[in-house]
Amino acid sequence: EPEVTQTPSHQVTQMGQEVILRCVPISNHLYFYWYRQILGQKVEFLVSFYNNEISEKSEIFDDQFSVERPDGSNFTLKIRSTKLEDSAMYFCASRTGTSTAEQYFGPGTRLTVT
Amino acid sequence: EDKVVQSPLSLVVHEGDTVTLNCSYEVTNFRSLLWYKQEKKAPTFLFMLTSSGIEKKSGRLSSILDKKELFSILNITATQTGDSAVYLCAVAWAPGAGSYQLTFGKGTKLSVIP
Repeated sequence: EPEVTQTPSHQVTQMGQEVILRCVPISNHLYFYWYRQILGQKVEFLVSFYNNEISEKSEIFDDQFSVERPDGSNFTLKIRSTKLEDSAMYFCASRTGTSTAEQYFGPGTRLTVT
Repeated sequence: EDKVVQSPLSLVVHEGDTVTLNCSYEVTNFRSLLWYKQEKKAPTFLFMLTSSGIEKKSGRLSSILDKKELFSILNITATQTGDSAVYLCAVAWAPGAGSYQLTFGKGTKLSVIP
């Protein structure tokens, strides 16, 4: 069964460093998402991406964040200058097309900023 | 502010018990309500409900949506220890044409003891 994959599973970085989190969405999916979940808190929407551009973003998704689909399979989230409060689990999700809201989630990348 | 409220926040039951998890919502441009199961990492898709009053069923799990009263329930019958997880309710809403965004509740942590 096709699934969303994410790498790395765990990333430790120092405050101020740049990180890139990678995702490979399900191959025939057209819409891509990033969510984050701070430990003990609820899953929060960051950004949605369609047709090579951002379609929606939340207040959390400020200028420190960017997304890219550099080729036909990868979808990346870059955090330019990490802060302690960026420590969280980051989930990538994807869905097929316009007629359904079903999103399928990857296993997540745990980001720890020290 | 859009809201998704789940109750109870945690629940401990014995194997074989039946449980009912609740989700109420207040979201503009509602499209669907989704249930996910989160064990260690990624939320795993369970159900998507779009129409009121139509029960969706998968094995021992079932769910129904009431769009008039703005809530959904997830039932699990004959619980097993493998059902122990956090159950997430998410509402899909449409900020723009063709795009869907998920707003999650805090989850219900279900613990099933032998």
